Amino acid sequence: GDSVTQMEGPVTLSEEAFLTINCTYTATGYPSLFWYVQYPGEGLQLLLKATKADDKGSNKGFEATYRKETTSFHLEKGSVQVSDSAVYFCALKPPNFGNEKLTFGTGTRLTIIP
Amino acid sequence: DAGVTQSPTHLIKTRGQQVTLRCSPKSGHDTVSWYQQALGQGPQFIFQYYEEEERQRGNFPDRFSGHQFPNYSSELNVNALLLGDSALYLCASSLGGQGGGYTFGSGTRLTVV
Repeated sequence: GDSVTQMEGPVTLSEEAFLTINCTYTATGYPSLFWYVQYPGEGLQLLLKATKADDKGSNKGFEATYRKETTSFHLEKGSVQVSDSAVYFCALKPPNFGNEKLTFGTGTRLTIIP
Repeated sequence: DAGVTQSPTHLIKTRGQQVTLRCSPKSGHDTVSWYQQALGQGPQFIFQYYEEEERQRGNFPDRFSGHQFPNYSSELNVNALLLGDSALYLCASSLGGQGGGYTFGSGTRLTVV
């Protein structure tokens, strides 16, 4: 079945450091890929998405590129801020119409220190 | 524009009891999905409701059931609660089941003692 594997956390970085959170997936065909962010005490917010190979999703300085050859969707940001501290989830949705199930990774907790 | 509203925010139940959680979707959305998020884990898909019917179901026992009302709001019911049902239950709404356009609520934290 479908699965998502994320980089083990927690990750602690200094402000303005470069961020990479690795995500690889196992799925049939070309799933849609997502990054969600969860701040303390809140639900999930969509950060960015990509729906086909070589697409790059971007938002709020975060980027991720859909790499079919390596089945990866790594999250990157050039200069992190304290406000980026949160838990980040990589997720996929199968390509077949009518299958709306999102499969999530276990999440990566990111802490940014001033 | 109101987002997804879930109630209650926190709940404590005793093992063996039954619980009902509620969700109001974002304005304009007609599809509701429910997820269970155990502590330190990613959300797990329970089921999705569209046009008042369960359209898709994840790997959860029949103790988990749901309902969608004509105004698109939804309920999640869990019978015969187990300690392992303690989790954050998230509701997500979307339009016509269009994958990726989900708006998540803040969740209901259920503790079973």
